[in-house]
Amino acid sequence: KAGVTQTPRYLIKTRGQQVTLSCSPISGHRSVSWYQQTPGQGLQFLFEYFSETQRNKGNFPGRFSGRQFSNSRSEMNVSTLELGDSALYLCASSLEGITTDTQYFGPGTRLTVL
Amino acid sequence: LAKTTQPISMDSYEGQEVNITCSHNNIATNDYITWYQQFPSQGPRFIIQGYKTKVTNEVASLFIPADRKSSTLSLPRVSLSDTAVYYCLVVLNQAGTALIFGKGTTLSVSS
Repeated sequence: KAGVTQTPRYLIKTRGQQVTLSCSPISGHRSVSWYQQTPGQGLQFLFEYFSETQRNKGNFPGRFSGRQFSNSRSEMNVSTLELGDSALYLCASSLEGITTDTQYFGPGTRLTVL
Repeated sequence: LAKTTQPISMDSYEGQEVNITCSHNNIATNDYITWYQQFPSQGPRFIIQGYKTKVTNEVASLFIPADRKSSTLSLPRVSLSDTAVYYCLVVLNQAGTALIFGKGTTLSVSS
């Protein structure tokens, strides 16, 4: 069974731009969650989507948003990029969600904001 | 607000048992603890998960004392390939769901 895939793997943007990252979950998984990883803050939870609805949300500003499609694929959008948004963005999938299930992570998208 | 604390780094030799402890306050009985392993340029990989007492699988054991203020990941007989960063995660199921990650423990295994 194929694992979680994320595209693109690397991205360079400038301040003020917006970016969209994509995540394809493991087949059959309905939950997709997103995380930001930085050297200073470590791993932080952004949000979770299940059946095309945002179910849980972390403490990030509204510039960070996401959506999920009927095939469970998910996208994350960051608008008005700031230098501090440079990070590794990880997505994870699971059968039923973050509250009880094991999360399977993708390799991440490395975003650099100049 | 819950917070998790784990050692920044640990060193070990091949064949030894390694125990990494994560301290977590203010967790309830339905909040569970998960440990992940991460190699450079890869996403975290699930190791083990539990609510209380002891859980064991083919790669690790997880010990959670009765007060649930800490948890210990035990890796038996580590090898060079266990060199990685290990994260504890507390999933809070209190008035909504929140995920609290530790900062990670860098384990270095030498021969």
